[in-house]
Amino acid sequence: DAKTTQPTSMDCAEGRAANLPCNHSTISGNEYVYWYRQIHSQGPQYIIHGLKNNETNEMASLIITEDRKSSTLILPHATLRDTAVYYCILRDTGTASKLTFGTGTRLQVTL
Amino acid sequence: DTGVSQDPRHKITKRGQNVTFRCDPISEHNRLYWYRQTLGQGPEFLTYFQNEAQLEKSRLLSDRFSAERPKGSFSTLEIQRTEQGDSAMYLCASSLVSGYNSPLHFGNGTRLTVT
Repeated sequence: DAKTTQPTSMDCAEGRAANLPCNHSTISGNEYVYWYRQIHSQGPQYIIHGLKNNETNEMASLIITEDRKSSTLILPHATLRDTAVYYCILRDTGTASKLTFGTGTRLQVTL
Repeated sequence: DTGVSQDPRHKITKRGQNVTFRCDPISEHNRLYWYRQTLGQGPEFLTYFQNEAQLEKSRLLSDRFSAERPKGSFSTLEIQRTEQGDSAMYLCASSLVSGYNSPLHFGNGTRLTVT
């Protein structure tokens, strides 16, 4: 019962912006969009989350469409160290505070 | 480093043996989560605690698995009579009790290999 859809893999040239899309057409009004990434052999790393408005922090920007049915994570200047699996997750605010991961997007940053 | 700490990082055991993993959360975090991750898959939720109370358990958490969090601080995950299918990365995460708006912070996991 996947609630988000992400491309399996993407490539990005180093120094360019990486734009990672996520579709969540069945998102409910109380669900936040969370992004995590996982570098090989490490635990998932929190990147950013948002509800309706666009968000920006030192790592990335999150753009959420007005109807909230999709979002885009933007890494403004990708480096080789950004090579990882990126997960877009809807967080259920009702019954549980857990995160339910899908299979994510494997981003490969190349020279 | 004041992040989530897991011990050991790697564990190799023979089928049928018992294993125990430890997780030390970020000190002020009162929620603690356990996840399991197999190769090529995203992490799967196992269970979580709020302070010392175990509030939710996944169907993945069979009778051979038990988790504890005495005194609401560190947590242990024990697997009894290990099977080869238990080979996976076991991840721990912690967060504050401020609802959905508090991110989970993960440790780097314990990789279990059952031979």
